[in-house]
Amino acid sequence: AQKVTQAQTEISVVEKEDVTLDCVYETRDTTYYLFWYKQPPSGELVFLIRRNSFDEQNEISGRYSWNFQKSTSSFNFTITASQVVDSAVYFCALISGGGADGLTFGKGTHLIIQP
Amino acid sequence: EPEVTQTPSHQVTQMGQEVILRCVPISNHLYFYWYRQILGQKVEFLVSFYNNEISEKSEIFDDQFSVERPDGSNFTLKIRSTKLEDSAMYFCASSDLRVAGTYEQYFGPGTRLTVT
Repeated sequence: AQKVTQAQTEISVVEKEDVTLDCVYETRDTTYYLFWYKQPPSGELVFLIRRNSFDEQNEISGRYSWNFQKSTSSFNFTITASQVVDSAVYFCALISGGGADGLTFGKGTHLIIQP
Repeated sequence: EPEVTQTPSHQVTQMGQEVILRCVPISNHLYFYWYRQILGQKVEFLVSFYNNEISEKSEIFDDQFSVERPDGSNFTLKIRSTKLEDSAMYFCASSDLRVAGTYEQYFGPGTRLTVT
């Protein structure tokens, strides 16, 4: 069985602070993909990043960076110099096996950026 | 850029009524999915669909639910007799696995279902 754990239910920081959202996953498969999605108050799911299990390189995209560590089964997400527009619920998700499988989502972290 | 569309954006229905949620996946995609998100909770997988049949389904997807691809473009989720606990946001997604190794699913904007 697969599982994604986002232990931080809610994080509140002041604008311009850096913030890291944690994600720990469990899977028995050796090939899998990890994702981060953003859900703003409007409700849609916005794709942020995909990472496969064979690529442990960290990635940076503007103010966003991701740290994938297979040794600790973690795929953490850092926002540098946070902005009010970053306020949203962020979900980490996992898929493995064939393409018919659904994504397994974590419970999400509600990020509040205060001005 | 192609996108997944869903209609309606909000549906209100009475308990016991049948409801059909509609999705138009991205045109060259082969796999289609439905997910559910109860307010304030995580997104949960319901079912995947490929080659005109169900590929995988979760334990949530019981006999009250059915999916169909009635024509070449639409993908529908039917709830036969709605219950209060079916109130949720329902997301449709599609995937083109011919793009090897991506497994990326493109989500629609969701349909908010309210059962009264």
